[in-house]
Amino acid sequence: AQKVTQAQTEISVVEKEDVTLDCVYETRDTTYYLFWYKQPPSGELVFLIRRNSFDEQNEISGRYSWNFQKSTSSFNFTITASQVVDSAVYFCALGGFSGTYKYIFGTGTRLKVLA
Amino acid sequence: GAVVSQHPSRVICKSGTSVKIECRSLDFQATTMFWYRQFPKQSLMLMATSNEGSKATYEQGVEKDKFLINHASLTLSTLTVTSAHPEDSSFYICSAREERGLYGYTFGSGTRLTVV
Repeated sequence: AQKVTQAQTEISVVEKEDVTLDCVYETRDTTYYLFWYKQPPSGELVFLIRRNSFDEQNEISGRYSWNFQKSTSSFNFTITASQVVDSAVYFCALGGFSGTYKYIFGTGTRLKVLA
Repeated sequence: GAVVSQHPSRVICKSGTSVKIECRSLDFQATTMFWYRQFPKQSLMLMATSNEGSKATYEQGVEKDKFLINHASLTLSTLTVTSAHPEDSSFYICSAREERGLYGYTFGSGTRLTVV
């Protein structure tokens, strides 16, 4: 069965601190995709990154970076020098497994960045 | 980029009435769309996969007669909540699969349904 676990329910940091959001997934498939989405208070989902299972190269985009470790089935997300605008719920998702286009979302991590 | 428009963004309806939510892909054709439901402070749960020109595929536990899905064209899928009750109040989000294989990562802005 496929599963995504985000063990951190809520994290609070002070502005400019670095923060890492954890994501652990389970799947028996060899081909799959992993995603991170941001959901601000307004509710819409904002796509952050997609990573396929064959690409373990870490990625950096501005203050965001992602660490994909297939050996530990983890796809962690780090925000450096956090800002108040980063406050949101962040979801990790698993998709494309078994040739489907379905997503399975983790339970989300609520990040609060305090000024 | 791929844009998905969802309407309405908010709707309040009386118990027993039906509500229709539209999901449109604006600049691409989507053979497959997905409908999710999100309870307050919870994750998104897939309700059904909507396929253009055919019946939707519902996830286990989702009432087909309660949540009617119609995908009549390559750019439009609708979700109708029939005979709504307060427990149907939730945030509904659609997603459309963009054909270039980006696995439907484009989401609509969501519809907050409140049944009173």
